Amino acid sequence: EPEVTQTPSHQVTQMGQEVILRCVPISNHLYFYWYRQILGQKVEFLVSFYNNEISEKSEIFDDQFSVERPDGSNFTLKIRSTKLEDSAMYFCASRENRVFDGYTFGSGTRLTVV
Amino acid sequence: GIQVEQSPPDLILQEGANSTLRCNFSDSVNNLQWFHQNPWGQLINLFYIPSGTKQNGRLSATTVATERYSLLYISSSQTTDSGVYFCAVQGTGGGNKLTFGTGTQLKVEL
Repeated sequence: EPEVTQTPSHQVTQMGQEVILRCVPISNHLYFYWYRQILGQKVEFLVSFYNNEISEKSEIFDDQFSVERPDGSNFTLKIRSTKLEDSAMYFCASRENRVFDGYTFGSGTRLTVV
Repeated sequence: GIQVEQSPPDLILQEGANSTLRCNFSDSVNNLQWFHQNPWGQLINLFYIPSGTKQNGRLSATTVATERYSLLYISSSQTTDSGVYFCAVQGTGGGNKLTFGTGTQLKVEL
């Protein structure tokens, strides 16, 4: 079964540093997403991406965050000047169709800001 | 936006017992999924079930879209079923994203 691949699985970074989280969505999927889960809390939507642009973003997704699809396979989330409260599990997801398809999630990147 | 409530928030079972988890949502949906988050934090997709009933081994799910709820049944529970179960929905009222519930924390004991 096709998978969404995320790297790294765990990243530790110093406060104030920039991090890039990487995702390889399923090859024929057109819609891409990032979600975040702070420890012990529910999974929250960050941003959706379609046709090389952001289609929707949440209040969490401020100027500190950016997304990019630098080539035909990768989808990245950049967090500039990380803060302690950015520590969370970040999930990438993709889907083929906007409406009548399920979302496939990656295994997540656990980001720890120290 | 759409609201998703799950119950119960916590559940402890003896191995072999059956259970029912509930998900209520506040608006019409065109996507509903159940996930199991394992102890390593991975989200495992269990069902894509915007309506109707599906079964997969010891798990089954039913969504009654007109009444805005979904149920996840776990039969003959095993210790490996432990973890958090999330319901997530995409509303028909616009938006292209899943909204997650707060989850049910399940612990299955020997």
